[in-house]
Amino acid sequence: QVQLQESGPGLVKPSGTLSLTCGVSGGSITSSAWWSWVRQPPGKGLEWIGEVTHSGSTNYNPSLKSRVNISVDKTKNQFSLKLNSVAAADTAIYYCARDDGGLVLHWGQGTLVTVSS
Amino acid sequence: EIVLTQSPATLSVSPGERVTLSCRASQSVYSNLAWYQQKPGQPPRLIIYGASTRLTGIPARFSGSGSGTEFTLTISSLQSEDFGVYYCQQYHNWPPEKTFGQGTKVEIK
Repeated sequence: QVQLQESGPGLVKPSGTLSLTCGVSGGSITSSAWWSWVRQPPGKGLEWIGEVTHSGSTNYNPSLKSRVNISVDKTKNQFSLKLNSVAAADTAIYYCARDDGGLVLHWGQGTLVTVSS
Repeated sequence: EIVLTQSPATLSVSPGERVTLSCRASQSVYSNLAWYQQKPGQPPRLIIYGASTRLTGIPARFSGSGSGTEFTLTISSLQSEDFGVYYCQQYHNWPPEKTFGQGTKVEIK
């Protein structure tokens, strides 16, 4: 059973860069899956951010594409999210997940990132 | 971008009642629609995909129906563990894109 664990700073300053990493255990990141990031502002709904394959192919939410970069590190069995020029509206629980065929099957527990000075 | 609209936003029900949740797509997604259940403090859990196929281990009281632009999630007899927020998600135009509805909260009446 694949397990995912988010890690990174819980507080980011406005205009800064949000950086998170997702460690994958119980499975290899070189599988045929896509590896995703999804976020959820407190008390609100889910927003898909984007995804990456083990070969580095990516898809992004058009509304975030100009600020997002998702990358993979096969040597560490992990993938990462960078979101630039953050503002208070980027405050959310950030989930990493594994996709299969467009379906989000496995989720991390999520990590709260607050954008504040 | 395909927009998913869920209704109602909140549903207050008593245990044992039948529950019907709706998800409408801004354009046809054929049967490429999934439903997720989320409980407080937990990540979402996929329960139905392909509009009507339950994941292994999901109780038979959950059923999905619809195709094209109109979809329904039905819980035939609501149990206490079913309270939470339900999201629909389309994957018809994936790759490159997938989108979620805004959610329906099922709460205790």
